[in-house]
Amino acid sequence: EVQLVESGGGLVQPGGSLRVSCAASGFIVSSDYMYWVRQAPGKGLEWVSAIFTGGNTYYADSVRGRFTISRDNSRNTLFLQMNSLRPDDTAVYYCARGKVNWYFDLWGRGTLVTVSS
Amino acid sequence: SYVLTQPPSVSVAPGQTARITCGGNNIGSKDVHWYQQKPGQAPVLVVYDDSDRPSGIPERFSGSNSGKTATLTISRVEAGDEADYYCQVWDSHSDNYVFGTGTRVTVL
Repeated sequence: EVQLVESGGGLVQPGGSLRVSCAASGFIVSSDYMYWVRQAPGKGLEWVSAIFTGGNTYYADSVRGRFTISRDNSRNTLFLQMNSLRPDDTAVYYCARGKVNWYFDLWGRGTLVTVSS
Repeated sequence: SYVLTQPPSVSVAPGQTARITCGGNNIGSKDVHWYQQKPGQAPVLVVYDDSDRPSGIPERFSGSNSGKTATLTISRVEAGDEADYYCQVWDSHSDNYVFGTGTRVTVL
């Protein structure tokens, strides 16, 4: 079955770090475009980061310099390392896939990250 | 940065047609994609490249894009169509993926 399963969310203090993961099955992560999209409580969708098939990475202005996207081909898993977290980073973080680099055709169920003291 | 504007809400009776608009500067020159998100669930792609449907999406969902507005049309609306809908484009000038503000569809 083709699916994405996120994990690693939780409660973290402001200024802290957290790494969330996304395990893929049914397809090869390195052969497709992979993304992180987040949704703050009661708010809309916000694109966070992308990693293209060739390895190029892209970030939203709101997270550039603090977040790092990566993938482990041997584990077929996508990661998002989040540093210097702020309360406004609180959101459900979704992993998504694109067969092309302009829309998202498969989504995971998300993992909740809460930044609070 | 590029902005996509949607109406906050649309209400429609069962069996009628719902139209959700998405406005942006010169949006007709971009490929627009639409997602459905039901409460507590992940988004689902319902229309891509303005008017194409992924496999498994009913023909009742259709899209169009011209001029300053893209539109998602849901024909013969059912109770199960009640959800939030988001439009999305890729802004090649900034390498940013932009989502619309979202529209809540309520089935009366």
